[in-house]
Amino acid sequence: DAKTTQPPSMDCAEGRAANLPCNHSTISGNEYVYWYRQIHSQGPQYIIHGLKNNETNEMASLIITEDRKSSTLILPHATLRDTAVYYCIVRVEGKGGSEKLVFGKGMKLTVNP
Amino acid sequence: DGGITQSPKYLFRKEGQNVTLSCEQNLNHDAMYWYRQDPGQGLRLIYYSQIVNDFQKGDIAEGYSVSREKKESFPLTVTSAQKNPTAFYLCASSPGDRHNTGELFFGEGSRLTVL
Repeated sequence: DAKTTQPPSMDCAEGRAANLPCNHSTISGNEYVYWYRQIHSQGPQYIIHGLKNNETNEMASLIITEDRKSSTLILPHATLRDTAVYYCIVRVEGKGGSEKLVFGKGMKLTVNP
Repeated sequence: DGGITQSPKYLFRKEGQNVTLSCEQNLNHDAMYWYRQDPGQGLRLIYYSQIVNDFQKGDIAEGYSVSREKKESFPLTVTSAQKNPTAFYLCASSPGDRHNTGELFFGEGSRLTVL
């Protein structure tokens, strides 16, 4: 599965949109992009995933560039509770099990009041 | 409510002792996983099980053992052979290969400290 690159940390003001970048320049055509987040001392939480089309759910939006080499997770109105480590992961859908999801160090988002 | 329950939340152990961490799920998921997380690091896969009575080693299985006698339960034993057992342990489940969406459901974690 392709490797992802995220900045180590990012700050955002409460109430503003948080745009979290992820590079995955070696992504293959059948690899999906997944986002999870981990609030301190808790288990990671699934946010969203997508292949090539932009996706939106009640938590966030996922924007994938046309060449699929990068993506952005958007939290439209960040709150203090969105402070967490965010993981961007790519994997092949349906190939093996979810053990193929590799959680790297992720990116620490701090939402400031 | 459906979910994954890990216990205990905090555990202290003396060197040389084995300890077993519990993980139970009522989501009817086929697959279950154990991860280890060290401070400031990502998650590393210890063991996983795609089906009852079967399990596979992950990336860092040495010093750990598991069993999967029931679909709902996947206990992890940290043995005395594990050289650096102090860590945050996370259990997860997923629907399994046939329904695989890549979505993992995690428990709240167990923090093990070896004194």
